[in-house]
Amino acid sequence: AQSVSQHNHHVILSEAASLELGCNYSYGGTVNLFWYVQYPGQHLQLLLKYFSGDPLVKGIKGFEAEFIKSKFSFNLRKPSVQWSDTAEYFCAVNAGGSYIPTFGRGTSLIVHP
Amino acid sequence: EAQVTQNPRYLITVTGKKLTVTCSQNMNHEYMSWYRQDPGLGLRQIYYSMNVEVTDKGDVPEGYKVSRKEKRNFPLILESPSPNQTSLYFCASSLSPSGSIYEQYFGPGTRLTVT
Repeated sequence: AQSVSQHNHHVILSEAASLELGCNYSYGGTVNLFWYVQYPGQHLQLLLKYFSGDPLVKGIKGFEAEFIKSKFSFNLRKPSVQWSDTAEYFCAVNAGGSYIPTFGRGTSLIVHP
Repeated sequence: EAQVTQNPRYLITVTGKKLTVTCSQNMNHEYMSWYRQDPGLGLRQIYYSMNVEVTDKGDVPEGYKVSRKEKRNFPLILESPSPNQTSLYFCASSLSPSGSIYEQYFGPGTRLTVT
């Protein structure tokens, strides 16, 4: 069965710091990869997704992620975080055309102004 | 406005009292699903539906039922709720499960407490 690991459970940064959140999955075949964000008290919304092509994917609000197939990774990055980026971030993987996406446990990001 | 709606948003109930959480989407999406979100466990899929009258179990289906009689609605039914079903529930929909490349649109969530 596929699994998704998000190594950082809690991250605390100051504004303008750079961000990288790790996501690793365990499936050797074709994967579709997603990052979702959940702002406090709100529902999940899509940040970005990868399904083919350029492994460097740009999403909303200045986020990007890089798919590295050899490392089974899809890390999320932002060069300069803002207070408004405080949220929970979830990595999700659909492997091999599965109808059941697997979500990571989430990373809670707190950005101090 | 394209959206997924859920009702109720908050619910406190007692063990064994049947309840239904409704979910509706106005995007003509084929695929709908239910998740529960628990601290430290992320999101886990309960049930999903690929189209009308087609439903299947997710990772944690025990204690739940669903139905998909219409394309836009996908209610979650707890026939006999128990305290371990206290959780935050999200409904989601997607254009099509085909190839699994489509992102999901999530509802606002239903916070359920079973005492």
